[in-house]
Amino acid sequence: EAQVTQNPRYLITVTGKKLTVTCSQNMNHEYMSWYRQDPGLGLRQIYYSMNVEVTDKGDVPEGYKVSRKEKRNFPLILESPSPNQTSLYFCASRIAGGQLYTQYFGPGTRLTVL
Amino acid sequence: DQQVKQNSPSLSVQEGRISILNCDYTNSMFDYFLWYKKYPAEGPTFLISISSIKDKNEDGRFTVFLNKSAKHLSLHIVPSQPGDSAVYFCAATGSYGKLTFGQGTILTVHP
Repeated sequence: EAQVTQNPRYLITVTGKKLTVTCSQNMNHEYMSWYRQDPGLGLRQIYYSMNVEVTDKGDVPEGYKVSRKEKRNFPLILESPSPNQTSLYFCASRIAGGQLYTQYFGPGTRLTVL
Repeated sequence: DQQVKQNSPSLSVQEGRISILNCDYTNSMFDYFLWYKKYPAEGPTFLISISSIKDKNEDGRFTVFLNKSAKHLSLHIVPSQPGDSAVYFCAATGSYGKLTFGQGTILTVHP
């Protein structure tokens, strides 16, 4: 089954404690991205990756890092989380150059930073 | 600055009636528009799209209308069903391929 998986699905942490949210896809997609969803703001792109070792900033990259060492994985790293990063996070993937309607989203990770 | 706006946070409709969800955009470079549907505890899933060269696209009970001069698009669901209850996101993109999303509208369809 074609899917994007994220772990963990729920996470409560404290300010300053480094964390990583993993994202993995089994569709051999080149393009992967991270979004955050906040009330009244919709989904905003954090980072994206066109392929292995190629990453770039989205609209709201501050406070986040990513890496793309393997095609299937695109982890999101919060080196020093702060309460304003409390949000619902989605990973997505698609074929590079493919139609946007072919983009698949993961189930989401709800992060709370105390 | 919110380039894609969904001004109605929520919409409540009776089963069998029409649901109309609206979306406005400000960037004239947008040329492709999509609607996504999101259920609780799931990621968004693609619903329907429209290119700027069209003014209407239909897929079963779902129709999207685009008014380029007004920079407005709408999603019509006819007839509405309780299973359509979800959050609907409008999204837009230009040639650069990056999606810009609206805030979302919570649709509730009552039996």
